[in-house]
Amino acid sequence: EDQVTQSPEALRLQEGESSSLNCSYTVSGLRGLFWYRQDPGKGPEFLFTLYSAGEEKEKERLKATLTKKESFLHITAPKPEDSATYLCAVCGSGNTGKLIFGQGTTLQVKP
Amino acid sequence: DAGVIQSPRHEVTEMGQEVTLRCKPISGHDYLFWYRQTMMRGLELLIYFNNNVPIDDSGMPEDRFSAKMPNASFSTLKIQPSEPRDSAVYFCASSLMTDQKLFFGSGTQLSVL
Repeated sequence: EDQVTQSPEALRLQEGESSSLNCSYTVSGLRGLFWYRQDPGKGPEFLFTLYSAGEEKEKERLKATLTKKESFLHITAPKPEDSATYLCAVCGSGNTGKLIFGQGTTLQVKP
Repeated sequence: DAGVIQSPRHEVTEMGQEVTLRCKPISGHDYLFWYRQTMMRGLELLIYFNNNVPIDDSGMPEDRFSAKMPNASFSTLKIQPSEPRDSAVYFCASSLMTDQKLFFGSGTQLSVL
């Protein structure tokens, strides 16, 4: 059974203090690993898709990396507007189109 | 494009009542998903459709839940009868088969009293 575990559950950072969020996964045949951002009262918003180990994607202060067992979302010099819940999801080879989500990491960045 | 549109935004009902949630996916998308989000269980996939056909409904909690997609631009999720444990945020999402990137609606906050 496909499974996703995210850590930590919550993270508090000072503005400018870089850190990383972890997503560990178990899946039979990875078709894609996805990162989403969710703000309170809104639906998740797509950030990145990673397809194979070694792949990296960047967007502003965010950088996502992928190994065969886990993915990291690195946040460099965060700002208060980066505060949100970050969700990781996987799609396995036996589940075309079906994403399994982790519980998320809630990030708070204080000015 | 306006994105995925869900209605209503909030729904408060009493136990035993029928609840219908509605979704309009992004035009041209061939997949539609219904998810439920709670603090305890996070985002759970309830059911998804491909080209209006239900593909996997294994996440539907029980027979009280049903979903339909009569055409490419409309889907409903119905709960009958509703129970307090159904209280959650229900999200609809759509995607293209080619990249599997989900676009979510704003959700329906359901409270069953």
